[in-house]
Amino acid sequence: EPEVTQTPSHQVTQMGQEVILRCVPISNHLYFYWYRQILGQKVEFLVSFYNNEISEKSEIFDDQFSVERPDGSNFTLKIRSTKLEDSAMYFCASSESRGSGNIQYFGAGTRLSVL
Amino acid sequence: TQLLEQSPQFLSIQEGENLTVYCNSSSVFSSLQWYRQEPGEGPVLLVTVVTGGEVKKLKRLTFQFGDARKDSSLHITAAQPGDTGLYLCAGEGRAGNNRKLIWGLGTSLAVNP
Repeated sequence: EPEVTQTPSHQVTQMGQEVILRCVPISNHLYFYWYRQILGQKVEFLVSFYNNEISEKSEIFDDQFSVERPDGSNFTLKIRSTKLEDSAMYFCASSESRGSGNIQYFGAGTRLSVL
Repeated sequence: TQLLEQSPQFLSIQEGENLTVYCNSSSVFSSLQWYRQEPGEGPVLLVTVVTGGEVKKLKRLTFQFGDARKDSSLHITAAQPGDTGLYLCAGEGRAGNNRKLIWGLGTSLAVNP
């Protein structure tokens, strides 16, 4: 069964460092998403991406964040200068369509620890 | 701002008991999805409900979408230890075109043998 793959599973970094979280969405999907989940809190929407551009972003997704689809398979989330409060699980998701009831398939997540 | 309130946050029951988890909002959602999340893994979709009043069954799990599409419930009949896990509801937001998901906090269910 097709699945969304995220790497690495765990990333430890120093405050102020840049990190890139990688995702390989399901191959025929066209819509991509990043969510994050701080320990003990709700899953939060960060950004959605379609046709090589951001479709929507949340207030969390400030200038320190960027997304890119550098080739036909990868979808990356970059945090330029990490802060302690960026520590969270980051989930990538993809969907085939954007119609009502569209199913978003999630990766296993990357646990980001900022020290 | 669309919010989803999920209750209860924690639930510990004995094997064989029934339970209901609720997801409520003051906002209307295009659809509502229920996920199950295991520790260290991403959410896995259980069901999507789209039509107001819709009821879907998945073995011992029954999902209902409120008539006004503002709330949903998950009912588990005769819970088994294998049902133990985190259950999350997520509503499809209406802002924008890419149907971002708005999440409840989750219900951590423990079914004791």
